[in-house]
Amino acid sequence: ETGVTQTPRHLVMGMTNKKSLKCEQHLGHNAMYWYKQSAKKPLELMFVYSLEERVENNSVPSRFSPECPNSSHLFLHLHTLQPEDSALYLCASSQIGLADNEQFFGPGTRLTVL
Amino acid sequence: AQSVTQLDSQVPVFEEAPVELRCNYSSSVSVYLFWYVQYPNQGLQLLLKYLSGSTLVKGINGFEAEFNKSQTSFHLRKPSVHISDTAEYFCAVSAPMEYGNKLVFGAGTILRVKS
Repeated sequence: ETGVTQTPRHLVMGMTNKKSLKCEQHLGHNAMYWYKQSAKKPLELMFVYSLEERVENNSVPSRFSPECPNSSHLFLHLHTLQPEDSALYLCASSQIGLADNEQFFGPGTRLTVL
Repeated sequence: AQSVTQLDSQVPVFEEAPVELRCNYSSSVSVYLFWYVQYPNQGLQLLLKYLSGSTLVKGINGFEAEFNKSQTSFHLRKPSVHISDTAEYFCAVSAPMEYGNKLVFGAGTILRVKS
């Protein structure tokens, strides 16, 4: 595997389910991100982890719970979601400390909440 | 804080015609600028980036962009588009030394290339 991978690619869940999204980066980076991409809206940064510590949480509802067990893996745990949470969830990684803020994105997980 | 405005939500163009996708930014400090492309059902892929130096930046797939500090713009251009360029394009800005390497994205421009 190369770059940033995300699983599953598609997920359908009911409002009472609990599920998790997984992201893995194979780039040796030290920062990881979760974004939400909804139709007709700009990308929304949800969480930022730097050196495995959460450094930003942009007023995301508590039904979304991130976890970063090491610098290569990032999870987004989901519970009691709402239909408006249906979106494409993108993971990205970056190397903090370089003179370049480029982020590398995974293919996304398309989430549908029924 | 930074912000980005992409002036066109959709740009239709015929195959082999030139195209320009417009991006303006706002920042009180110097910036890094990026253009990303997103094909259907995929993540974002970097097209090109401006960090410093020459204001004309060349990227992948024949795209280029010009950084204009006085106009706070970073427009993306391609002299001749192909059907395969149909995608959504995002302009993004970041401040050097921004902790966490955070990017601020524009709302995106959908490029539709017609035959």
